Amino acid sequence: KAGVTQTPRYLIKTRGQQVTLSCSPISGHRSVSWYQQTPGQGLQFLFEYFSETQRNKGNFPGRFSGRQFSNSRSEMNVSTLELGDSALYLCASSSSGSLGWLDTQYFGPGTRLTVL
Amino acid sequence: KNQVEQSPQSLIILEGKNCTLQCNYTVSPFSNLRWYKQDTGRGPVSLTIMTFSENTKSNGRYTATLDADTKQSSLHITASQLSDSASYICVVSGTSYDKVIFGPGTSLSVIP
Repeated sequence: KAGVTQTPRYLIKTRGQQVTLSCSPISGHRSVSWYQQTPGQGLQFLFEYFSETQRNKGNFPGRFSGRQFSNSRSEMNVSTLELGDSALYLCASSSSGSLGWLDTQYFGPGTRLTVL
Repeated sequence: KNQVEQSPQSLIILEGKNCTLQCNYTVSPFSNLRWYKQDTGRGPVSLTIMTFSENTKSNGRYTATLDADTKQSSLHITASQLSDSASYICVVSGTSYDKVIFGPGTSLSVIP
């Protein structure tokens, strides 16, 4: 079974631009979660999608948004990029993503975003 | 405030030795605690998941313990290998996603 894939792997943008990252979950998984990882803040939960609906959201500004398609693939968009948005963006998929979050989450390799 | 603390911040051990990593949390109400291993440049990989009623869970050479009363967990690595060199992250979940708190991680280096 193929793992979680993320594209692109690396991205360089300038302040003020917007960016879209893509995540393809493991086949059959319906839950996709997004995370931001920085050296200073560590891993932080952005949001989770399940069956094309945003089910949960972390404490990030509205510039961070996402969506999920009917095939469970998900995209994350960041508008009006700031220097502080430079980070590794990880997505993870799980089969159901119950509220108790007991399902094992499988992470992709991440997209390294650099904002200049 | 919901927090997860890990210690030590970094650790260097000789190959073949055992080590124990610590995780203390204040997340409430508590749902589950996970340990992840993250190799440099890769996404985290789940090692163990424990709920309130579990106090020990093993995955090969990795054994996690949980004391929900004192809100402490540990990850014990037995007979360490060079491939164990990674960051180990403790994640504590409350009963809603806005209470998913990641620890800062412990960086483990196993040297020959």
